[in-house]
Amino acid sequence: SQQGEEDPQALSIQEGENATMNCSYKTSINNLQWYRQNSGRGLVHLILIRSNEREKHSGRLRVTLDTSKKSSSLLITASRAADTASYFCATDEGAGSYQLTFGKGTKLSVIP
Amino acid sequence: DTEVTQTPKHLVMGMTNKKSLKCEQHMGHRAMYWYKQKAKKPPELMFVYSYEKLSINESVPSRFSPECPNSSLLNLHLHALQPEDSALYLCASSQEGGNKVEQYFGPGTRLTVT
Repeated sequence: SQQGEEDPQALSIQEGENATMNCSYKTSINNLQWYRQNSGRGLVHLILIRSNEREKHSGRLRVTLDTSKKSSSLLITASRAADTASYFCATDEGAGSYQLTFGKGTKLSVIP
Repeated sequence: DTEVTQTPKHLVMGMTNKKSLKCEQHMGHRAMYWYKQKAKKPPELMFVYSYEKLSINESVPSRFSPECPNSSLLNLHLHALQPEDSALYLCASSQEGGNKVEQYFGPGTRLTVT
């Protein structure tokens, strides 16, 4: 089942600009993760934020989580052409659950 | 070694063929997954193995048959597939237990059923 809904579905920006993607979900979660997928390739884990955290940073990535609004955002600062990819949020409900529920994804294009 | 490998990279098969997809990881992960991904869609979970035992089967048709011979290997046996089964098949693994829920994905097998 698809729980996360990303918006926008597609985003095109110039190199050097910041990119913001949003994800909303419906049920209570334990963790929320963001993954990147280059065209036709496997997914790469970017960052995980736990339900009791509000913000997390990793390099040029900043993730926020608002559990009251059931939403998260991923900010990529100073984008590069190599950031061109699809970005998915994924949630799990914890309690030993192995199931990740992926959102529909945002396709980011960074124009050199 | 943080790599999940998958073979083959590409596979074309007829509807009467039998083929297998293979996945391998050497990270000591005890949970392994098969996902199916259609173009421009998110991955859809098919199967989960935990400690080499099937723990989740997301109502996948029996023409897909998973197998976990040991803690490092995961196979997906394919038989009598339909053209709509054409997709990217992704394998992933993760640590068992606790809050270690990050999944490590292989590059996928691009399957075309003719």
